[in-house]
Amino acid sequence: NAGVTQTPKFQVLKTGQSMTLQCAQDMNHNSMYWYRQDPGMGLRLIYYSASEGTTDKGEVPNGYNVSRLNKREFSLRLESAAPSQTSVYFCASSPRRVENTEAFFGQGTRLTVV
Amino acid sequence: DAKTTQPNSMESNEEEPVHLPCNHSTISGTDYIHWYRQLPSQGPEYVIHGLTSNVNNRMASLAIAEDRKSSTLILHRATLRDAAVYYCILRVGAGSYQLTFGKGTKLSVIP
Repeated sequence: NAGVTQTPKFQVLKTGQSMTLQCAQDMNHNSMYWYRQDPGMGLRLIYYSASEGTTDKGEVPNGYNVSRLNKREFSLRLESAAPSQTSVYFCASSPRRVENTEAFFGQGTRLTVV
Repeated sequence: DAKTTQPNSMESNEEEPVHLPCNHSTISGTDYIHWYRQLPSQGPEYVIHGLTSNVNNRMASLAIAEDRKSSTLILHRATLRDAAVYYCILRVGAGSYQLTFGKGTKLSVIP
C-alpha cells in the first residue's frame, strides 16, 4: 500500500536555487494538496488541486507554483528558494472535498535553504 | 472562520482511556469536526470525523456535545504508539478543501 509518495525526503538548497517537489498517489483520488509545517506549528495549506486540471491558492502560496500533471501527480516548485522556505512539506490527497472525508498524507520532504 | 481550542499537552498512563477535549464555540451548522494525529517525524494521520452524532471507528470514538460547541476524542486504551500531537480541526475556507491545523495537543503516554 504505497498511498501518497513524496520525493525527495530530504533536500538542501542554496538561496536562489530552484527545485521541484514531487508527489504521487495511487488511490485514484480527485483532490490533492501541498502543506508546509514550520517548527512547533500546525500545517498550513500552500496550494490545492480540487480535480485534475485545476489548481487554487491556499493560505500561503507566495513563492510557490504547482502543476497537476495528471490525476496521480501534483508537483510543487520553488523558483528561487529563500531561507524562509525552510520547512517540512507534506503532500496529501482525498477522494473529494476534504469536508466530509479523510485526507491521506505523505511522509514529508524536509527542505533546508541556506 | 470557526476556531478550535485545545490544551497544549496531556499525559496518560499506558492502557488507560484518554479523553482529549476540543472547544469550538463558533462552529457553524455545516462544519464537520475532524481529528488528525501526527506521530514524530511523520505526516498527519486521519483519526475520525463527525457532524452531530457520536462516531466510533477502530481507532477512537468522537463524542460531540449536543450544542456542538465542544467535542472529545476518546482513545479507549492508550498505547505507546498513541503518543502524538492530536489536532482538532474544523473544515475552514477554500471551498471545503482546506483543513486548518492549529498547534494541537501533544499526548504523552507513560509506560
